[in-house]
Formats: sequence, C-alpha cells, structure tokens
Amino acid sequence: AQKVTQAQTEISVVEKEDVTLDCVYETRDTTYYLFWYKQPPSGELVFLIRRNSFDEQNEISGRYSWNFQKSTSSFNFTITASQVVDSAVYFCALSEFPEGGSEKLVFGKGTKLTVNP
Amino acid sequence: DVKVTQSSRYLVKRTGEKVFLECVQDMDHENMFWYRQDPGLGLRLIYFSYDVKMKEKGDIPEGYSVSREKKERFSLILESASTNQTSMYLCASSVAGTVQPQHFGDGTRLSIL
Repeated sequence: AQKVTQAQTEISVVEKEDVTLDCVYETRDTTYYLFWYKQPPSGELVFLIRRNSFDEQNEISGRYSWNFQKSTSSFNFTITASQVVDSAVYFCALSEFPEGGSEKLVFGKGTKLTVNP
Repeated sequence: DVKVTQSSRYLVKRTGEKVFLECVQDMDHENMFWYRQDPGLGLRLIYFSYDVKMKEKGDIPEGYSVSREKKERFSLILESASTNQTSMYLCASSVAGTVQPQHFGDGTRLSIL
C-alpha cells in the first residue's frame, strides 16, 4: 500500500530562517502524483503544488521551492526567508490507484511549522 | 475561486444521535470527499464520490454513511454518534481527471458528548 512519511512532527524557526519540510513516500505505481497542502490555523487546507512522477524538475514559486528526487522517493519542500504567516501545518500527499477502486490521495501526518518573530 | 462550504464550523451532539454534516461546492466538480483529521493521525479518507448517487468507501468508513443526491452536495451521516467520532471533519472537491488537486472546506469540528 502507498505510504507517506513526514518524519518531522513539529518545527520551530525564527523569522527569516530557511526551513525544509521532508516528505518520503512509498509506492509501487510507475505513474503517481505528489502534492503539498498548507493548513493555516483557520483550518482550510490550501493546495500548493502537484507534481507527477515523470517530472523531476525542481520548482520554485516565490519563497517556496520543491525538490523531487525519485532515487530517494522524496519530495521535500523548502521555505526561504520564512515569515510568521508561514506558520501552519503542512501535508504531503500521494496518489493511490487501488485495484478495482477509484483513485484517491494518501496523506502524511503533517508537519506543524511555527515561525517566531 | 472554488468554494467548498461546510454547513457548520462547530457542532456538539450527544452519543446515539444521528448527525448530518453537509458540504456544498459551487464549481460543478465531479468528485467529492470526506476526511477526518485527528492529532497525530493526519487526514484519513472516510468516503468519496465520483458522481451523483455514487459512493465509494475510503479507509475508515465504519460508523459513517454518505449521500450524494445532487452534484454540488455531499452529506456525511453518523448513524449513531459515538464519542470516538469526535474529530475535525473536512470536505473536499475536485474536477474529474487524473488526480486533480482537491479543494477543501474550512472543516467542521464535531464533539460527541
């Protein structure tokens, strides 16, 4: 079965520090999709990025960047020059295509990031 | 922007009650999902639906049922609420197609006393 591991339960940094959130996944599928979501204190999960297994290019969006490495089954997320507004729980997720069933997402347990002023 | 609206932000019910959690999306999405979120466990899929009147069990369907009579509305039903169903419940929707991003509601924090 698919599995997503976010080993860091909680991270605390000071504003302007860079921080990397780790995500390691397990899958037997050759085609799969990886996601990152942000859940601020308000509760709503916000979609950040979707990456398919054939695209290993790293992506940068402002202060956010993602490093996808199939060789190590990792899809890590880095925030550069962190800000207090980045404080949230971040979830990594992996697509799953169960035999005889419909596609769905498997989520990691999340990493709670606190950025202190 | 996609809007997924959950009917209640906070809800308190008693053990044994039948509880309805409602979710409505306004973007004509085919797919809808119900998750529960518990500390240390992340998000777990309860049920999902890829079409009207269609439903599939997720990873933890026991004690729950769902209804999708209209495309925009997906209801989660706790047939006889129990204290171990106290949790945050999140609804999501997505457009049809290969694993498109899911859009989430604000969540319903349900307490069963």
